[in-house]
Amino acid sequence: EDQVTQSPEALRLQEGESSSLNCSYTVSGLRGLFWYRQDPGKGPEFLFTLYSAGEEKEKERLKATLTKKESFLHITAPKPEDSATYLCAVQAAGGGSNYKLTFGKGTLLTVNP
Amino acid sequence: ETGVTQTPRHLVMGMTNKKSLKCEQHLGHNAMYWYKQSAKKPLELMFVYNFKEQTENNSVPSRFSPECPNSSHLFLHLHTLQPEDSALYLCASSQRLGLAGGQEFFGPGTRLTVL
Repeated sequence: EDQVTQSPEALRLQEGESSSLNCSYTVSGLRGLFWYRQDPGKGPEFLFTLYSAGEEKEKERLKATLTKKESFLHITAPKPEDSATYLCAVQAAGGGSNYKLTFGKGTLLTVNP
Repeated sequence: ETGVTQTPRHLVMGMTNKKSLKCEQHLGHNAMYWYKQSAKKPLELMFVYNFKEQTENNSVPSRFSPECPNSSHLFLHLHTLQPEDSALYLCASSQRLGLAGGQEFFGPGTRLTVL
């Protein structure tokens, strides 16, 4: 069974204090790893898709990286508006439901001014 | 309207009521999904439709009944719900099923409270 574990559950940073969020996964063949951002009372907003180990993608202060076992979301010099819950999801290659996304519980990031 | 819209945004219902949630996507996608999001739990996939045909029912109780009249619209009919069904119900769409790396686009959700 596919599993996704995100850590930490919650992270509090000061504005400008860089850090990383972790997403560890177990899948039977990875088709894609997704990062989403979710603001309170809203649906998840797509950030990145990573396909293979060694791949990196960047968007403003966010950079996502991927290894064979985990993904990191690096946040450089965060601002208060980066406060949100960050969700990681994997899409597996094997089985009859190879289109399904398996989500982690998310990391709640709070950036204080 | 753009993206994925959901109505109502908030719903309070008694256990004997019947209500429906509506989702509409304006992205030209062919796959649509219902998810349940409860506190401290990962998103739970409930139903999947591809080109209006249901392809997944993730062991969801029969008190939840989905309907997909066309590729742009998705409904979730609710009846005789339990308090533990209170959650945020999210609708999502994607270009089509089985597309590697095909990301899902989510609506804002319906916050459901069952009294």
